[in-house]
Amino acid sequence: HLQLQESGPGLVKPSETLSLTCTVSGDSITRGNYYWGWVRQPPGKGLEWIGSFYVSGRTDYKASLKSRLSISVDTAMNQFSLRLTSVTASDTAIYYCARLWSSWFDYWGQGTLVTVSS
Amino acid sequence: SFDLSQPPSVSVSPGQTAIISCSEDKLGEKFVSWYQLRPGQSPVLVIFQDFKRPSGISERFSGSNSGNTATLTISETQALDAADYYCQAWDSINVVFGGGTKLTVL
Repeated sequence: HLQLQESGPGLVKPSETLSLTCTVSGDSITRGNYYWGWVRQPPGKGLEWIGSFYVSGRTDYKASLKSRLSISVDTAMNQFSLRLTSVTASDTAIYYCARLWSSWFDYWGQGTLVTVSS
Repeated sequence: SFDLSQPPSVSVSPGQTAIISCSEDKLGEKFVSWYQLRPGQSPVLVIFQDFKRPSGISERFSGSNSGNTATLTISETQALDAADYYCQAWDSINVVFGGGTKLTVL
């Protein structure tokens, strides 16, 4: 059974870098034609796609975040990571990692709350 | 990119049918998925590829997509169906979520 688990600091200071890791268990992230991605939900707001990657190396980022965002993968650890630089209070959100199969997200992590505050 | 428009809220009485719409120009040309999100929980996929139900999802959930509008229908609505519902589509580069619809079961 596939499971995803987010990890990382719950508090980040403004202007610093938010870094999260998603650990995948139950299957290899290199198996199959899947994308893997990040979705966030700011407090009181809706779901927002951040970016996705394919193990072949292709990455897609939300246009408004592209200049601050990078997604990387560690196939040996079966993990992928999110790095968002120069954060502000508007980056406060629950961050989810998920598997994107064809056009839908079929497996999700439990989510982790990241607060941007001094 | 593109946008997906949903009504902010829908109210329904128990046992009645709830209909949640998701609109965008030529949305019928894309596959639409729907997610249920309850407070403190992760999103749950309830419909994918317009009308398909994942294993374990009640038959009371159904979907359609044609023209400019996709629709999630919940028949015989129960109190446990109260949640936020999000439509989602993908243009092979960008993933887009609708703004979400809060379903209230009165």
